[in-house]
Amino acid sequence: EVQLVESGGDLVQPGGSLRLSCAASGFTFSIYWMHWVRQAPGKGLVWVSRIRGDGRDTGYDDSVEGRFTISRDNAKNTLYLQMSSLRADDTAVYYCARDVVLGSGSLENWGQGTVVTVSS
Amino acid sequence: QSALTQPPSASGSPGQSVTISCTGTSRDVGGYNYVSWFHQHPGKAPKLLIYEVTKRPSGVPDRFSGSRSGSTASLTVSGLQADDEGDYYCSSYAGSSGINVVFGGGTKLTVL
Repeated sequence: EVQLVESGGDLVQPGGSLRLSCAASGFTFSIYWMHWVRQAPGKGLVWVSRIRGDGRDTGYDDSVEGRFTISRDNAKNTLYLQMSSLRADDTAVYYCARDVVLGSGSLENWGQGTVVTVSS
Repeated sequence: QSALTQPPSASGSPGQSVTISCTGTSRDVGGYNYVSWFHQHPGKAPKLLIYEVTKRPSGVPDRFSGSRSGSTASLTVSGLQADDEGDYYCSSYAGSSGINVVFGGGTKLTVL
């Protein structure tokens, strides 16, 4: 069974940093594109970032480009999102998701989400 | 403002059919065969219903179907059931450079 478990969400001050993790199991992690998607309170889904299975190709939404870095450790079956220069509008539930069609956004499996709150 | 446009709400009675639209551009919905649809219950993670415009993952009933005409994709839910209530989101691949994936703003479906 495919499982994705996010962790690392917390309350952080504006301008601060945070690293989210997503532990994957039940599939061959290293061959799948993975994504981060976020959802602000009461709002819709917003794509954040994606990374290819070998880690050599990444992409970001304009709102996080230059502030967030996606990475993965295939030996540990873990996806990461390093977040810096955090702003109030980064407050959201952050989901990791597995893409089953070559990074296209066909997100078949999702974690339960981890909550990031940016506030002083 | 979301990149893809969805109606904010839709409704139907049990057993009826409802169709939700998702309008983009030639740079996303109209340019690639990678439109997906998701269903989300409050407080839960989204669930993939449709990918590659018309394909259903294993376990998704054939009451859910996807289609596309030009730069507008559509999700049809047939034989509405109470559990179909919730938020529905479309997404599309948008190319290998810049923003790669875009979502719609979501449609809240009410089963009357």
